[in-house]
Amino acid sequence: GAGVSQTPSNKVTEKGKYVELRCDPISGHTALYWYRQSLGQGPEFLIYFQGTGAADDSGLPNDRFFAVRPEGSVSTLKIQRTERGDSAVYLCASSTQGTDTQYFGPGTRLTVL
Amino acid sequence: QKEVEQNSGPLSVPEGAIASLNCTYSDRGSQSFFWYRQYSGKSPELIMFIYSNGDKEDGRFTAQLNKASQYVSLLIRDSQPSDSATYLCAVIRREGAQKLVFGQGTRLTINP
Repeated sequence: GAGVSQTPSNKVTEKGKYVELRCDPISGHTALYWYRQSLGQGPEFLIYFQGTGAADDSGLPNDRFFAVRPEGSVSTLKIQRTERGDSAVYLCASSTQGTDTQYFGPGTRLTVL
Repeated sequence: QKEVEQNSGPLSVPEGAIASLNCTYSDRGSQSFFWYRQYSGKSPELIMFIYSNGDKEDGRFTAQLNKASQYVSLLIRDSQPSDSATYLCAVIRREGAQKLVFGQGTRLTINP
């Protein structure tokens, strides 16, 4: 079956601009996660959705970052007033209810110039 | 102290040998433990998960967990050049927490 998909695969933007990153989880997976990975580091947790609601957003670095999952499937990570330090690979993962094994999408590489 | 620590490597192992990757974690209440493989420019791919003390084998891979020592390892038998990648250790710290906490990864190179 289809895995987690993310669009775009690459995004280049200028400092101060607004960006949206999209994640489409594995069909039937109720849990969705966003992580951010900088070069040479492991992924860092940003936010976790169970269904439509954000169950844990403790990893969002500041109020420029926001994520939604209005229908409990596709999620959008939104970054306002982007900064050069936001440059990273943004990874989305999903898991099925009752398990904690997470499967990752291919990621979106964000570059802020 | 980092929550999850791995030797960043690089770890170089000859083809056919056993590769041993190690990980320690700081939260004694950690519940679930995962190994992901990440090829350069790609996303993490789940290899193994382990919840209980002891060994868990899956093909050429064996995960080992020692909760008393707060230590988890991954053994790769009969290493192949295609095993060359970065291996990420991740833990879920407590039941219901769900978020994965990753180490920085160990870069493994299998030499033909």
